[in-house]
Amino acid sequence: GQQLNQSPQSMFIQEGEDVSMNCTSSSIFNTWLWYKQDPGEGPVLLIALYKAGELTSNGRLTAQFGITRKDSFLNISASIPSDVGIYFCAGQLRGSSNTGKLIFGQGTTLQVKP
Amino acid sequence: DGGITQSPKYLFRKEGQNVTLSCEQNLNHDAMYWYRQDPGQGLRLIYYSQIVNDFQKGDIAEGYSVSREKKESFPLTVTSAQKNPTAFYLCASSGTGRYGDYEQYFGPGTRLTVT
Repeated sequence: GQQLNQSPQSMFIQEGEDVSMNCTSSSIFNTWLWYKQDPGEGPVLLIALYKAGELTSNGRLTAQFGITRKDSFLNISASIPSDVGIYFCAGQLRGSSNTGKLIFGQGTTLQVKP
Repeated sequence: DGGITQSPKYLFRKEGQNVTLSCEQNLNHDAMYWYRQDPGQGLRLIYYSQIVNDFQKGDIAEGYSVSREKKESFPLTVTSAQKNPTAFYLCASSGTGRYGDYEQYFGPGTRLTVT
C-alpha cells in the first residue's frame, strides 16, 4: 500500500528545546493531519491542514502543508514533559476524497527530560 | 459529552475463540473505522464504513468481520481465523467537516490479548 515516511523515528530531548518532525511521500495528498498518542490511549487530533503551503498553529505546535503537497512538518516549541508521546502524521491521498480513508506514518516517539 | 467509547479497555481470550469489540459514537458521524496497532508500528486499517448497512475492507481485513446496523455502532469481531490477534485495536469516526470527511476522531482503544 501507499507509504508515508515519518522521521525521526524517536527523539530524546531536554525540556525547553524545540522539536521538529516531518512526513514525506512520493504521492500527492489533499489533506494532512497530525495526531498525538499517549501510552495506552487513542490518538488525539492536533492540527489539520487542507491547502498546499498552509501554516497552522495550535498553541506551541505549528504544522505546515508542503508546497509540493508531498510532505508536511510539525514543530513543537519550548517542549515540556507532557509533550511525551507518539506523534503521527496522516494524509488523505489525492483521488480518495470520497472514501475518508487516511494513510498513517509510523510515528515519532518523543521523550522529554525534565 | 460527545465522543467515541470502546469497551472493554482490556480483553483476554483463549486461542480459537471469536471475540467482539464494541465501538459506539454519539458525534452523529456517518463514517466509522477500525484500526490495528502493534508495538512500534503505525495504524493499519482493518475495515471502514461510510454509511449504515455498508462497509469495506481495509488493508488487513482477513480474520476480522464487522457490521453496521446502526449509525452509532460499529462492532468488530476478531475471529479464530486471525493468525495473530493480540494487538491494540482503535475505533475512529469522521463526519462532514469544512473540507469533507477527513478529520478522524479516535476512541480510547481496546487491548486484546489472546493466549
